[in-house]
Amino acid sequence: KQEVTQIPAALSVPEGENLVLNCSFTDSAIYNLQWFRQDPGKGLTSLLLIQSSQREQTSGRLNASLDKSSGRSTLYIAASQPGDSATYLCAVIDNTDKLIFGTGTRLQVFP
Amino acid sequence: DAGVIQSPRHEVTEMGQEVTLRCKPISGHNSLFWYRQTMMRGLELLIYFNNNVPIDDSGMPEDRFSAKMPNASFSTLKIQPSEPRDSAVYFCASRPTVNTEAFFGQGTRLTVV
Repeated sequence: KQEVTQIPAALSVPEGENLVLNCSFTDSAIYNLQWFRQDPGKGLTSLLLIQSSQREQTSGRLNASLDKSSGRSTLYIAASQPGDSATYLCAVIDNTDKLIFGTGTRLQVFP
Repeated sequence: DAGVIQSPRHEVTEMGQEVTLRCKPISGHNSLFWYRQTMMRGLELLIYFNNNVPIDDSGMPEDRFSAKMPNASFSTLKIQPSEPRDSAVYFCASRPTVNTEAFFGQGTRLTVV
């Protein structure tokens, strides 16, 4: 059974820092991986989708990498801003074709 | 496109009552998911449809839960009878086809008292 873990569970950083969020999965036979952000009381907003054949995907200040063999993905946020404060979730899509979510990382960026 | 639309946004009901949650996926999307989110268990997949057909309902907690997708533009999740432990935020998500980017609705916050 696929299990997805995110470390750290919570992170608090000053504005301007570059930071890395981690996502680990137990079964490397995935089709793709998707990163989301969730603001309090809101739905999930898609940030990036990485196909299994890709190693990296970039959108603005966000860069996501994927290493299937080691069962890991990282989300790099450059020059963090208070508006980046949210919970970040990763989800893997494996051969069951379902999105299996990690536990999330709660990020706070303070001015 | 307006995105995935869920209704109602909030629902408060008494234990034992029937609750129906509604979802309109993004036009042209063939896959639809229902998830439940709680503090204790995070995001749990309840059921997954592809081309209006239920593919996997192994996450539906018990017979009190049922889901339908009568056409490509509408799905419902029904709980009958509802119980306090069903209190959670229920999300609907859709995507164009398999292995593509998924988009979530704003969710329905259900409180059963």
